[in-house]
Amino acid sequence: AQSVTQPDIHITVSEGASLELRCNYSYGATPYLFWYVQSPGQGLQLLLKYFSGDTLVQGIKGFEAEFKRSQSSFNLRKPSVHWSDAAEYFCAVGGGNAGNMLTFGGGTRLMVKP
Amino acid sequence: ETGVTQSPTHLIKTRGQQVTLRCSSQSGHNTVSWYQQALGQGPQFIFQYYREEENGRGNFPPRFSGLQFPNYSSELNVNALELDDSALYLCASSPRQVPETQYFGPGTRLLVL
Repeated sequence: AQSVTQPDIHITVSEGASLELRCNYSYGATPYLFWYVQSPGQGLQLLLKYFSGDTLVQGIKGFEAEFKRSQSSFNLRKPSVHWSDAAEYFCAVGGGNAGNMLTFGGGTRLMVKP
Repeated sequence: ETGVTQSPTHLIKTRGQQVTLRCSSQSGHNTVSWYQQALGQGPQFIFQYYREEENGRGNFPPRFSGLQFPNYSSELNVNALELDDSALYLCASSPRQVPETQYFGPGTRLLVL
């Protein structure tokens, strides 16, 4: 069965600092990987996705993520965080035998200090 | 282009009642998925509909059921509501060309008392 682990429940960074959110997955085949962001009381917005090819993918709002098969990881990064980035971030895996079902991690809540 | 919309935004029900939640998919999208997000957790897959038929189901009991209509909109029905059904219910639609990519609506927050 597929699973996703986001080891950090909460992360606090200063505005302007760099950010890395961790995501580890368990999947029996080549995964489709996603990062979503959720502001309080809102739905999920797709930041970026990886299906195949270049392992470094660019997304919206200046985010990028790197797929590392050897580490079963898909970490999200941003070089300089803005106060508006404060939100909850979810990593998800899908595809293959699971069809289009997405399995989500528990999320990482990002807080940004001024 | 209109994104995924859901109605109602909030709902309060009592234990044992039934509820219907609605979702309109994004233009050009023919697949709809439903997820349950309990407070403080990640979303959990309930089921998916494609061409008006259920196309995959998560670990939810039969009292969770759904429909998809010819215009690709969808309903989620929950019978015999339990307190643990209190959650944010998210609908997501996927385009024909890239069915693996899901775009989410704002959700319906259900409170069961």
